[in-house]
Amino acid sequence: QQQVKQSPQSLIVQKGGISIINCAYENTAFDYFPWYQQFPGKGPALLIAIRPDVSEKKEGRFTISFNKSAKQFSLHIMDSQPGDSATYFCAATTDSGGYQKVTFGTGTKLQVIP
Amino acid sequence: GAVVSQHPSRVICKSGTSVKIECRSLDFQATTMFWYRQFPKQSLMLMATSNEGSKATYEQGVEKDKFLINHASLTLSTLTVTSAHPEDSSFYICSAMTGANYGYTFGSGTRLTVV
Repeated sequence: QQQVKQSPQSLIVQKGGISIINCAYENTAFDYFPWYQQFPGKGPALLIAIRPDVSEKKEGRFTISFNKSAKQFSLHIMDSQPGDSATYFCAATTDSGGYQKVTFGTGTKLQVIP
Repeated sequence: GAVVSQHPSRVICKSGTSVKIECRSLDFQATTMFWYRQFPKQSLMLMATSNEGSKATYEQGVEKDKFLINHASLTLSTLTVTSAHPEDSSFYICSAMTGANYGYTFGSGTRLTVV
């Protein structure tokens, strides 16, 4: 059972455009929503994260929008650059006996073309 | 920032042999580490949670006798794939919690190929 659904599976955006990736979850126990960026052959790296009591968080060109009632959240990459080409994973965490268990979305492969 | 070092980055082994993957926290102590498996173009699937000084907790469907996890110190966790078979070929990634704000740092991954 996929607890965090992510779309689209792949995305092609022109340089300077806006990249938008969407995620939806079912488990209301999730209490932290990070986004990870992964380059080929490397481990994921934390990009930005949000808690459910906040509707939006912005860090540089990256913005998370969060809709708690709809159980949806999205990543917006403004002024997309070729260096942003990577696979992006949304995730959700929940307390699991003293630590946070991370559930990942299915990933979105972003390609930014010049 | 916090760094998790994973070694080796790539390994090729013969079917039937065992392979050990190491995950070290370089500048912090990691009571809990996590091991993931990632198939090509797919998401990360949690295999097990490794706790320092105690037995690992395995996710449903993960064979604990095949994927041996040892977390002997606060800075080192190891995953040993025993009697490896071609279907065990995958990208294995470890991670550790690095801060109070649910921050996780991932290792750079290990590409295992069993021939």
